Amino acid sequence: LAKTTQPISMDSYEGQEVNITCSHNNIATNDYITWYQQFPSQGPRFIIQGYKTKVTNEVASLFIPADRKSSTLSLPRVSLSDTAVYYCLVGGISGGSYIPTFGRGTSLIVHP
Amino acid sequence: DGGITQSPKYLFRKEGQNVTLSCEQNLNHDAMYWYRQDPGQGLRLIYYSQIVNDFQKGDIAEGYSVSREKKESFPLTVTSAQKNPTAFYLCASGAGSYEQYFGPGTRLTVT
Repeated sequence: LAKTTQPISMDSYEGQEVNITCSHNNIATNDYITWYQQFPSQGPRFIIQGYKTKVTNEVASLFIPADRKSSTLSLPRVSLSDTAVYYCLVGGISGGSYIPTFGRGTSLIVHP
Repeated sequence: DGGITQSPKYLFRKEGQNVTLSCEQNLNHDAMYWYRQDPGQGLRLIYYSQIVNDFQKGDIAEGYSVSREKKESFPLTVTSAQKNPTAFYLCASGAGSYEQYFGPGTRLTVT
């Protein structure tokens, strides 16, 4: 049973705001929500993480509703260099180990 | 420079040969992970280690082996028992928070 569900792909244009929503209906109480960005032939890079409400850093915002069954990654004013695959992960510490599960991610293509 | 390194970036082997992929980190992280990624797919966990001399199987451990003799190093051996070894292999480390740091990856091709 997949822990997260994301759109397979999205298209946008430079300068627009992009919102990628992830569903995680079975999120556990101690799970955190983490988003990663991956460029072709590179390792994923951490973008943002949250538990509830809203988190903002220098590159993105993460919106988490009260029921935590979904989350939305918001990328403000995207550029061509934001073309990448974005992964939503949920996971927590279990038995002393943090073992997140990666889904297939969302392939974002930013057009000029 | 702190970070996690993997070598080599590209690796070619003949079918039936074992091959070892290197992963080193100088971030002083306790946890280390190995993932496999196939084209158009997400990452699948092969093995992970939370402490030196201890490691656990992930979702797809069959045909792979690891060791963790030093905190900094977590090499992965792809054995001849792995039916479809050609893939992109990623190593990661973590410090107990919910953030993982990934290496640049090794692309293994077996013919």
